[in-house]
Amino acid sequence: IAGITQAPTSQILAAGRRMTLRCTQDMRHNAMYWYRQDLGLGLRLIHYSNTAGTTGKGEVPDGYSVSRANTDDFPLTLASAVPSQTSVYFCASSLDRLSTEAFFGQGTRLTVV
Amino acid sequence: AQTVTQSQPEMSVQEAETVTLSCTYDTSESDYYLFWYKQPPSRQMILVIRQEAYKQQNATENRFSVNFQKAAKSFSLKISDSQLGDAAMYFCAYRSPGGRGAQKLVFGQGTRLTINP
Repeated sequence: IAGITQAPTSQILAAGRRMTLRCTQDMRHNAMYWYRQDLGLGLRLIHYSNTAGTTGKGEVPDGYSVSRANTDDFPLTLASAVPSQTSVYFCASSLDRLSTEAFFGQGTRLTVV
Repeated sequence: AQTVTQSQPEMSVQEAETVTLSCTYDTSESDYYLFWYKQPPSRQMILVIRQEAYKQQNATENRFSVNFQKAAKSFSLKISDSQLGDAAMYFCAYRSPGGRGAQKLVFGQGTRLTINP
């Protein structure tokens, strides 16, 4: 079934550890996004990529990095996790950066202790 | 920068009745897109309805309709004949039409809707 797959579904992580959240899509979408969802704040953009080989910073990029080596994959890395990064993380994609519809993965619940 | 505000953290409605969720936004752009997303307990983000700002006609999808007031920068969602499956968190979102950078969605804080049987 075509769509976006995120892994892991949930994770408990010790503070200071490095963690990579994986995101893969098979829709050949050019644009991909990472959001974090926090209660009372909605979803906020962390990083984005308009096409393979390019990335950009969103609203809350500090403490996170991304790469886009190919069209399908868009991993999000926390170099040294802190408790404030406890959140639900969503990967999304759209056909291109001008497409109005975004498709979302099922989310990763990350708890940093 | 654009902002989206949902002033109702929680709403409840009796099954089969109608409920309206509020959303206001702030922008200096004249053309843009507005969305309502539904997030059930499964966490999946589901697009409910979309509105293009240049269209005066309010969007409708089955039991879901919007009241788009461009001058007031208001975009409310009406759910008619509420069903138990409508229980979810609902997010209002804004998107610019084009330009450079990420065409990101700007989300409101969310409204948790409970359906009472």
